[in-house]
Amino acid sequence: GDSVTQMEGPVTLSEEAFLTINCTYTATGYPSLFWYVQYPGEGLQLLLKATKADDKGSNKGFEATYRKETTSFHLEKGSVQVSDSAVYFCALSDPGTGGFKTIFGAGTRLFVKA
Amino acid sequence: NAGVTQTPKFQVLKTGQSMTLQCAQDMNHNSMYWYRQDPGMGLRLIYYSASEGTTDKGEVPNGYNVSRLNKREFSLRLESAAPSQTSVYFCASSLQDTDTQYFGPGTRLTVL
Repeated sequence: GDSVTQMEGPVTLSEEAFLTINCTYTATGYPSLFWYVQYPGEGLQLLLKATKADDKGSNKGFEATYRKETTSFHLEKGSVQVSDSAVYFCALSDPGTGGFKTIFGAGTRLFVKA
Repeated sequence: NAGVTQTPKFQVLKTGQSMTLQCAQDMNHNSMYWYRQDPGMGLRLIYYSASEGTTDKGEVPNGYNVSRLNKREFSLRLESAAPSQTSVYFCASSLQDTDTQYFGPGTRLTVL
């Protein structure tokens, strides 16, 4: 079945450092890929998404490119801020599967130090 | 625009008590979901409703029931609460079941 694997955290960075959070997936169909962010005490919210191969999603300085050849959707940001401290979830939605179609990764917690 | 609302925000129950968590969305979405999130763990899907009138089990349905009351509302019921059900519960909705999900603020439930 479909699955999402993302790097374990926590990830601790200093302000203005470069961020990469790895995400790889397996899917039977042609999924859409998502990154969600969860700030402390809140629900998840969409950060960015890509619906087909080679698409790049971007928002708030974060980027991720849908790589079909490596089945990856790594999240990157060039210069993190303290306010980026949160838990980041990679997810896929696969219309080709039966049952529930959205799979979430386990989440990666990011701490950014001033 | 309220989005997804959940009530209550916090709840403490004793073992064996029952309660219903309420969820409503005002975005005219077809699909709705209930998740639980435990410390250090990701989201686990309890039940979902792909469209009005249908409900299906997710990954961890035991001990829960759901009702899709109408297109807007999707409730989660704990018939006999157990300490293992202590968790944060999130409701979410999406236009279709492969689209972006919009989450409520969560209900923090403690079962003593």
